[in-house]
Amino acid sequence: DVKVTQSSRYLVKRTGEKVFLECVQDMDHENMFWYRQDPGLGLRLIYFSYDVKMKEKGDIPEGYSVSREKKERFSLILESASTNQTSMYLCASTGVDQPQHFGDGTRLSIL
Amino acid sequence: SQKIEQNSEALNIQEGKTATLTCNYTNYSPAYLQWYRQDPGRGPVFLLLIRENEKEKRKERLKVTFDTTLKQSLFHITASQPADSATYLCAPPTLSGGYNKLIFGAGTRLAVHP
Repeated sequence: DVKVTQSSRYLVKRTGEKVFLECVQDMDHENMFWYRQDPGLGLRLIYFSYDVKMKEKGDIPEGYSVSREKKERFSLILESASTNQTSMYLCASTGVDQPQHFGDGTRLSIL
Repeated sequence: SQKIEQNSEALNIQEGKTATLTCNYTNYSPAYLQWYRQDPGRGPVFLLLIRENEKEKRKERLKVTFDTTLKQSLFHITASQPADSATYLCAPPTLSGGYNKLIFGAGTRLAVHP
């Protein structure tokens, strides 16, 4: 069965901290995505990666960066966390012509 | 720019009735459209994909239609059950369509009452 695992379900950090969110998939998928989900706004794409060491900006990349050193792992980095980055973060992966498989999300609070 | 609209208000229906959710898109013509289910505190789960040359797609009690003239997809759940209560998201691909990038609607919350 396909599995996308996000390292934390809940995370509380302070303003200005560097925050790492980790995502691992076990399906050998080429494509991986990071979204944030806020009430009434739906899922918004932050970054995605279509191969190891490759990344492309999504719709809202400001304040974020990503790392993909291995095919199965895609990390989202908040360089200097701010309160407006409090949100639910969702990771997804997909192979060619396949639907997206999501992790259960990390609810991040920045105080 | 591409826009996806789903009913923002929750849909409340009685158990056993058919639920119908609407997804409208503007400013482009996607080659396919996906529907996902999301439970509170969980990630979305894929349900169905319908292509532009398919008028209708079924899976058990679920049915999706795709009207490229109206630029609309309808998602039906027949004989609805309280366990069907969730938020349902429609997601066509982006205009560029590469790498399976999707645009997600904000979702419609469905509540099925016993």
